[in-house]
Amino acid sequence: NAGVTQTPKFQVLKTGQSMTLQCAQDMNHEYMSWYRQDPGMGLRLIHYSVGAGITDQGEVPNGYNVSRSTTEDFPLRLLSAAPSQTSVYFCASSSLAGTNTGELFFGEGSRLTVL
Amino acid sequence: AQSVTQLDSHVSVSEGTPVLLRCNYSSSYSPSLFWYVQHPNKGLQLLLKYTSAATLVKGINGFEAEFKKSETSFHLTKPSAHMSDAAEYFCVVSLLYSSASKIIFGSGTRLSIRP
Repeated sequence: NAGVTQTPKFQVLKTGQSMTLQCAQDMNHEYMSWYRQDPGMGLRLIHYSVGAGITDQGEVPNGYNVSRSTTEDFPLRLLSAAPSQTSVYFCASSSLAGTNTGELFFGEGSRLTVL
Repeated sequence: AQSVTQLDSHVSVSEGTPVLLRCNYSSSYSPSLFWYVQHPNKGLQLLLKYTSAATLVKGINGFEAEFKKSETSFHLTKPSAHMSDAAEYFCVVSLLYSSASKIIFGSGTRLSIRP
């Protein structure tokens, strides 16, 4: 059972570089989301999607782009990395009913360092 | 703004004594509320959930939480702390907007257990 798969697990970037964090789920979940986790700030919602072709902004969307061309995949793009984007990133998915019951399924996280 | 506030960033208790982790929410809608736990270098696990059924909710590992609408609170408690309870705890609110939900995390409370 793969669940939610995030890649890469670790990445070091230089300021101004671009990259994409990949997220894939095999549970046919409509809802997918990206969070960043920083010490003392909990998990902050970056972007989320309730189905293929539908995305919306969360609490901290600036500097990040997303797309949802398929139900399974929800990549997060950093167009021009900045040191402030150094963080641990989590992808999470759920059925739409599950968003009301808190049953989020999380990936293992991606630790990004921007120098 | 609709959000969730965890009142303590760090709580330290002795093993065998009660645990209280405080959470207040603000929402114009009837919220669904949850507690998640994250052990060091591990992923996030759903501890318990409130979805407008019973106001006293029991979760895993002996934890429970009570939804108090008049106080807009959803505090997490455990009668007797165990060393294995040392972790970061997140209060989470699911905000329903028509058919879509955002899931917002609090800033977290780090629970330390003294021998």
